[in-house]
Amino acid sequence: QVQLVQSGAEVKKPGASVKVSCKASADSFAGNFLLWVRQAPGQGLEWMGIINPRDGTTRYSQNFQGRVTMTRDTSTTTVFMEMARLTSDDTGVYYCARPHREGVTAPLDYWGQGTLVTVSS
Amino acid sequence: IVLTQSPGTLSVFPGERVTLSCRASRNADVNLAWYQQKPGHVPRLLIYGVSNRASGIPARFSGSGLGTEFTLTISSLQPEDLALYFCQQYHDWPHTFGQGTKLEI
Repeated sequence: QVQLVQSGAEVKKPGASVKVSCKASADSFAGNFLLWVRQAPGQGLEWMGIINPRDGTTRYSQNFQGRVTMTRDTSTTTVFMEMARLTSDDTGVYYCARPHREGVTAPLDYWGQGTLVTVSS
Repeated sequence: IVLTQSPGTLSVFPGERVTLSCRASRNADVNLAWYQQKPGHVPRLLIYGVSNRASGIPARFSGSGLGTEFTLTISSLQPEDLALYFCQQYHDWPHTFGQGTKLEI
């Protein structure tokens, strides 16, 4: 049973950073890409970026380039998404997700429960 | 690749045949998926590779298309199908989503 368990809700002030974690079930951790998707309140889904847990390589959407960093900890089968210089536009639910098949980057069969990040002064 | 979904909102009756559209700004080949999201829930994969149903998805959901024009069809709408539907292309980086179509009564 594939599980993606995310960290809890966060409230941050503008200009601060946030770090969200996503713990993946240990089976096939190294073989499956993990992705982050954002959903602003009442809005659609926005693809943020992807990390290869095997070697830590990443690719980010240009919309987040320079502000987002994705990392992983293989000892705890956890991936992290850190976003800097937050503004109110960054308020939303952040999901981690991954495909079913190893070595592919989509589609997204499994999703974490989501982490609400609220940016407010 | 920009994905444009239409309509934005669709008012439907249970039992109806429903067709949702997803148009790509350039070629996405067959690398297109559809997701369903019910209020307060996580997105769920419905269709991948344009026309392949994901595990456990009822046969009333079907997908078609190629290149830049894609369609999700629900053959006979059930009350539990009222939700948001998103398409996603994974032909090119970044793997963009459409803005969604909302099905409502």
